[in-house]
Amino acid sequence: QTVVTQEPSLTVSPGGTVTLTCASSTGAVTSGYYPNWFQQKPGQAPRALIYSTSNKHSWTPARFSGSLLGGKAALTLSGVQPEDEAEYYCLLYYGGAYVFGTGTKVTVL
Amino acid sequence: EVQLVESGGGLVQPGGSLRLSCAASGFTFSSYEMNWVRQAPGKGLEWVSYISSSGSTIYYADSVKGRFTISRDNAKNSLYLQMNSLRAEDTAVYYCAREGDSYGYDYWGQGTLVTVSS
Repeated sequence: QTVVTQEPSLTVSPGGTVTLTCASSTGAVTSGYYPNWFQQKPGQAPRALIYSTSNKHSWTPARFSGSLLGGKAALTLSGVQPEDEAEYYCLLYYGGAYVFGTGTKVTVL
Repeated sequence: EVQLVESGGGLVQPGGSLRLSCAASGFTFSSYEMNWVRQAPGKGLEWVSYISSSGSTIYYADSVKGRFTISRDNAKNSLYLQMNSLRAEDTAVYYCAREGDSYGYDYWGQGTLVTVSS
């Protein structure tokens, strides 16, 4: 069974920068896994941020960026705002199946 | 404005069945692939099923294969999930999500809660 692993929790100061990663149990994550990133706040549906590694949706704030880093997909938040406190999930495509990451709780303190 | 509205959730006994619906509006439904994603209480997101724009290609997560059936009616702008042989572990909020360019999930519905309990 494929497992996609994220950091359980990260803490960042307002105005700071934090990078979340997304690792696959099958090996290095490449662009062929078409990584997506989502933000979810309590009681709300997920909100799409990034697709196909680094592409932003029209509503994605400029401070969010996606990349590949050391064999993992990565989401970087630069100039973090208090409203960025949320759970973040990655999603990878495995050719006929999708697997969500375990999620990262980002706390802004 | 793109809208996805799920319905059909509720309380069902173990072994029972339920049919979820997702009503789409604000876009050409027949041009987009769709997915069902669920989230158990206090847990993470789990992909459930995918259907191509025409309905000709379908995928399921191993956890629901053989029990759940995804379908769509492009004339009615609607997506469905028929859930049979329900188990306690199927208890979750079920979301429908549109798949846009390059395997990108873009729009999500607000979700519908399914509770499997006796």
